[in-house]
Amino acid sequence: AQSVTQLGSHVSVSEGALVLLRCNYSSSVPPYLFWYVQYPNQGLQLLLKYTTGATLVKGINGFEAEFKKSETSFHLTKPSAHMSDAAEYFCAVTYTGGFKTIFGAGTRLFVKA
Amino acid sequence: DTEVTQTPKHLVMGMTNKKSLKCEQHMGHRAMYWYKQKAKKPPELMFVYSYEKLSINESVPSRFSPECPNSSLLNLHLHALQPEDSALYLCASRRTGTAYEQYFGPGTRLTVT
Repeated sequence: AQSVTQLGSHVSVSEGALVLLRCNYSSSVPPYLFWYVQYPNQGLQLLLKYTTGATLVKGINGFEAEFKKSETSFHLTKPSAHMSDAAEYFCAVTYTGGFKTIFGAGTRLFVKA
Repeated sequence: DTEVTQTPKHLVMGMTNKKSLKCEQHMGHRAMYWYKQKAKKPPELMFVYSYEKLSINESVPSRFSPECPNSSLLNLHLHALQPEDSALYLCASRRTGTAYEQYFGPGTRLTVT
């Protein structure tokens, strides 16, 4: 069965430090890959997506992610964390022709002052 | 306009009540979704409508009844709910074709007493 694994349910960084949130997927075919962010009591907001083409994708709020097919990974990074980045982050995959999106379990990012 | 709206924002209902959740988008998206999200969990797919027809029902209990009256509107009718149905209910939409990212509404926080 296809799945998405996010390593670490909680990640804590200091303000100004590098943010790295890990995501691996299991699939024999390349999926479409997404990162969503959810602030408390809100819906999910698309941060960035990979469909085809360049494997390094840039998103909103200074985030970027790199698709590595050989590692089946799509890790999310941001060079310098800001207090406003504290939120829940979900990695997700969708497959060609499919309506379903498979979400990872989520990673809660804490940013310390 | 990239907004999905949901009403009401909060809803408290008894187990014998009948209520409805409403979702609206004006982005011309022809696929619309209902998700249920419990605290500290990813969204859980309930229903998918494509071109106003129900295409996916994830074995949701019949006390939840979806309706798609037109391409912009999605309703979720609730009847005889249980306390364990208390959750954040999220609506989302996406274009059909190869654009797979979903746009989420802010959700309705439902409490069943």
